[in-house]
Amino acid sequence: EIVITQSPATLSVSPGERATLSCRASQNVNNNFAWYQQKPGQAPRLLIYGASTRATGLPARFSGSGSGTEFTLTISSLQSGDFAIYYCQQYNNWPRTFGQGTKVEIK
Amino acid sequence: EVQLLESGGGLVQPGGSLRLSCAASGFTFSTIAMTWVRQAPGKGLEWVSTLTDGGGGKYYADSVKGRFTISRDNSKSTLYLQLNTLRAEDTAVYYCAKDVTNFVGATDYWGQGTLVTVSS
Repeated sequence: EIVITQSPATLSVSPGERATLSCRASQNVNNNFAWYQQKPGQAPRLLIYGASTRATGLPARFSGSGSGTEFTLTISSLQSGDFAIYYCQQYNNWPRTFGQGTKVEIK
Repeated sequence: EVQLLESGGGLVQPGGSLRLSCAASGFTFSTIAMTWVRQAPGKGLEWVSTLTDGGGGKYYADSVKGRFTISRDNSKSTLYLQLNTLRAEDTAVYYCAKDVTNFVGATDYWGQGTLVTVSS
C-alpha cells in the first residue's frame, strides 16, 4: 500500500497570504494525484487531479504541482472560504490512499 | 446537474448487515467508474471500494475485503455497497462518489453521505 504523508498537519495563515501544502508518496505515483477540500459538515470537493489540472470552476488561485513522489498545493491568496481541511490522494495504485489531511486555519 | 444521493445508513449491531444505495443522475452513469469513501467521526478520508463502469472491475480496501461487496445497476443508475459482518470500526459517514473518467481515478462529485453506526 502506498502511504501518503501530508505536511504540515496544521497551517496557520492570514487572509491574503499564500499557503503551501505538501504531500509525499511512499512510491512513485506518476501524476495520478489529487487534492480535495473539506469544510465542516460537508462532503469533500475535488480541487486538483492529474497533479496539476484544476477541477471545473476552481479559481486560479489554487494550483497543484509535482510528480512522482512529491506534490504541492498552493493557494496564492487565501480567502475566508479557503479555511478548511485539505486532503491529497493517489490513484496510481490499488488501494487508492489518502493523506491524513492538513487543516488550514486563520492566523 | 450531477447529483448523488446516498441512503440506507443507520444503527446496526456488531456482526450485522446493511445495504447502502447511491442514486445517480445528471451524467451517463453506465460509462463511469464509481467509488465509495468513508470518514469515521472526526477522522480523515478512507477509500473503501471502486467499481468500473461495466461492473467487471471491483477493488476493495483491505479493511473491508471479504465483508463488503460493491455492485451497480446501470439500468437504475444506482450504486450499492453491501456491508456484512459489521464492526465498531466501520462506523463512519459513507460517501458515494463519481470518478472523473474511467481513466482518471480522482472523484469529482460526491453525495452528501449516509451515516453508519455500528454499536450494541
